[in-house]
Amino acid sequence: AQSVSQHNHHVILSEAASLELGCNYSYGGTVNLFWYVQYPGQHLQLLLKYFSGDPLVKGIKGFEAEFIKSKFSFNLRKPSVQWSDTAEYFCAVKNNDYKLSFGAGTTVTVRA
Amino acid sequence: DTGVSQNPRHKITKRGQNVTFRCDPISEHNRLYWYRQTLGQGPEFLTYFQNEAQLEKSRLLSDRFSAERPKGSFSTLEIQRTEQGDSAMYLCASSATGGQNTEAFFGQGTRLTVV
Repeated sequence: AQSVSQHNHHVILSEAASLELGCNYSYGGTVNLFWYVQYPGQHLQLLLKYFSGDPLVKGIKGFEAEFIKSKFSFNLRKPSVQWSDTAEYFCAVKNNDYKLSFGAGTTVTVRA
Repeated sequence: DTGVSQNPRHKITKRGQNVTFRCDPISEHNRLYWYRQTLGQGPEFLTYFQNEAQLEKSRLLSDRFSAERPKGSFSTLEIQRTEQGDSAMYLCASSATGGQNTEAFFGQGTRLTVV
């Protein structure tokens, strides 16, 4: 069964700092990769996704992620965070089926 | 709002009672999923429907849990004889067909507290 590891449980940083959140998964083969974000009091929203092609994926709100197949990784980055990026971030993986396997999430707190 | 809708948003129930949650997916989506999320964890897959057919149930879904999607539109998740360990956020998601390259859209969830 697929397992997904997110390296950091809680990240605290100041506005304009750069953000990188790690994500590794256990099972190879064909994968679809996702980052979801959950703002306080809101539902899970898709930030970006990788299905195939260019391993550097750009998403909404200035986020990007890089798929490195050899490392089973899909790390999320943002060069300069804003206070509004305070949220919980989840990495998710889908293999050759329909269900998502999620990491435990990383809480990001951006100080103004 | 044409997103995934879940009701109720919050439910507090006494141990041993039965509860039922409803999910209305995005109208053109024929795949529907239920997930459960506990504090400090990511969502965990519970079950999946394609149209009205329930195609998979996780072993997390004990015999006290049952899900239906009778007409291939909305779905219900029922928990019988609730236990304190059932306290969690129950999330519903839906997606369109189109092979593997589809994304799931999530509702806001139903937070269950069993006292």
